[in-house]
Amino acid sequence: GQQLNQSPQSMFIQEGEDVSMNCTSSSIFNTWLWYKQDPGEGPVLLIALYKAGELTSNGRLTAQFGITRKDSFLNISASIPSDVGIYFCAGQLRRDDKIIFGKGTRLHILP
Amino acid sequence: DAGVIQSPRHEVTEMGQEVTLRCKPISGHNSLFWYRQTMMRGLELLIYFNNNVPIDDSGMPEDRFSAKMPNASFSTLKIQPSEPRDSAVYFCASSLAPQGYTEAFFGQGTRLTVV
Repeated sequence: GQQLNQSPQSMFIQEGEDVSMNCTSSSIFNTWLWYKQDPGEGPVLLIALYKAGELTSNGRLTAQFGITRKDSFLNISASIPSDVGIYFCAGQLRRDDKIIFGKGTRLHILP
Repeated sequence: DAGVIQSPRHEVTEMGQEVTLRCKPISGHNSLFWYRQTMMRGLELLIYFNNNVPIDDSGMPEDRFSAKMPNASFSTLKIQPSEPRDSAVYFCASSLAPQGYTEAFFGQGTRLTVV
């Protein structure tokens, strides 16, 4: 079945640094999504991408939908302590298909 | 808006007992999803309701799991009998069609521990 591979699994960075994480798939998706999950909470949608090549920003976050439709990346600029959490990528082939989630990238920020 | 409300937040039960998880979706949303999250398998969709009707239950692991949505403002996920391997965080999410799956809002989850 469809699988999403997120890398890295875990990241330790200094406050103020930029962060980059990515997600690859063995098959194409027509929608890519990025979620963040804070401890003890449910995932929250950060960015949705609907077109190959699309680059979308949400504040300090920027995500791109890869041209091949098999990958996506998320960048966070000038990280702050509240960026700590787990970031999930997710893909969807058709509008009424279920969303497939990656295993997540856990972001830690060192003081 | 109160968001998606799940109860209880934590549940510890003994193997073999029946467990019922509850969810109140966001008012006006007509799609509801139950997900399970574990370290090994990540986030998995268990079942999807649209207008209170189950549309896709292919993710329900086995007959021990059942879900109902008697009205637009309430859903339950029941496990009977529970087993230790059912230990996980169970999330309910809701959305307003036609956004469907993609723009779903998640609840805070129920952390289930079966001992």
